[in-house]
Amino acid sequence: EAEVAQSPRYKITEKSQAVAFWCDPISGHATLYWYRQILGQGPELLVQFQDESVVDDSQLPKDRFSAERLKGVDSTLKIQPAELGDSAMYLCASSEGGTVTLKANVLTFGAGSRLTVL
Amino acid sequence: GNSVTQMEGPVTLSEEAFLTINCTYTATGYPSLFWYVQYPGEGLQLLLKATKADDKGSNKGFEATYRKETTSFHLEKGSVQVSDSAVYFCALMPYGNNRLAFGKGNQVVVIP
Repeated sequence: EAEVAQSPRYKITEKSQAVAFWCDPISGHATLYWYRQILGQGPELLVQFQDESVVDDSQLPKDRFSAERLKGVDSTLKIQPAELGDSAMYLCASSEGGTVTLKANVLTFGAGSRLTVL
Repeated sequence: GNSVTQMEGPVTLSEEAFLTINCTYTATGYPSLFWYVQYPGEGLQLLLKATKADDKGSNKGFEATYRKETTSFHLEKGSVQVSDSAVYFCALMPYGNNRLAFGKGNQVVVIP
């Protein structure tokens, strides 16, 4: 079964350092999402890509967070500088995209990258 | 706006008990509704889904019915197992928009 790959699984960093997360979606999936999940809460969307274009980054703290999907395949989420409040699970998900069929709207999630900022 | 509300607090119950987790939503139009499950240390997995009113999603003994009149999508299972211990998230996707919005989740603990 196809999976969404994420790395690293765990990252511990000190505040003010830079950190990056990588995601490789399911092959052929046009839509890629980055979610942040704070412990005990539901995931919140940070950024959504359709191919290489950003379609929604309204909740992305753009002063310190950036995301790219240069070739419309894999994606990187960067935080610089990291702050204590950034400690969370960062989840990547992908879907086929489109708006017509339910299958296209089903998101498949990766295992996540857990960030701890000290 | 579009939002999902789940009942407050964790749910603790004994093996073979009946499980209900309430979920209500606010949305314009006809959203798709989902339940995702998250096992400890893992990402989210799709449990079941429904795309229109009166649809019933089902999987692994879990069921949820899309009730437009009450804007609800409650999750039920007739006889839970210890292996069902996880966090369950209700989610909504507006029609024509691929953005998935989650509720806060409910931790379910099943005691042998």
